[in-house]
Amino acid sequence: RKEVEQDPGPFNVPEGATVAFNCTYSNSASQSFFWYRQDCRKEPKLLMSVYSSGNEDGRFTAQLNRASQYISLLIRDSKLSDSATYLCVVNPSGAGSYQLTFGKGTKLSVIP
Amino acid sequence: GAVVSQHPSWVICKSGTSVKIECRSLDFQATTMFWYRQFPKQSLMLMATSNEGSKATYEQGVEKDKFLINHASLTLSTLTVTSAHPEDSSFYICSASGFRQGTDTQYFGPGTRLTVL
Repeated sequence: RKEVEQDPGPFNVPEGATVAFNCTYSNSASQSFFWYRQDCRKEPKLLMSVYSSGNEDGRFTAQLNRASQYISLLIRDSKLSDSATYLCVVNPSGAGSYQLTFGKGTKLSVIP
Repeated sequence: GAVVSQHPSWVICKSGTSVKIECRSLDFQATTMFWYRQFPKQSLMLMATSNEGSKATYEQGVEKDKFLINHASLTLSTLTVTSAHPEDSSFYICSASGFRQGTDTQYFGPGTRLTVL
């Protein structure tokens, strides 16, 4: 099983749609979780951290289910500018370690 | 967020030559820097982790003699691809982290696209 697995995508959705991405991780001891966004031929940029209680940032909502080792990202009211690849990222070692493990990414295309 | 720069942003070189890529943290002290490689349609793969003033820790399968990493100061790390070959063509991205930023936060440079002819 890969360390971080994501929906393969691509997701093609119309503007205004709600879209959800899923991710699973293999290391049950993982402590920190993130969603990054990567535009074509650019570096990844942190979108949001994911907390056990779930967290929301505007149109973006992230959820974590530790029992199922599952992370999700929900995007409401999709904008054209949301088109990008979304990377599920896990710190498998927890606090004190800086290493991150990246999923392969899920490509989102928001269509006018 | 913190700023990390990389230079050059792209480079084309002949097979057999060496290429040096610089990664700088511009507004914070980076105690740890990471070097990643990303092939088209693939995820970022960690190549090595370097802590300022010590030798880099390479991931399995990454040749340390081919990918030389130097992290001599808290603001600069360099990756040198020695005797580059076409299969080394990739997108190389560095990231930096420091105590002030928290243990998990990595700030990425804009990446260097290497093409080896």
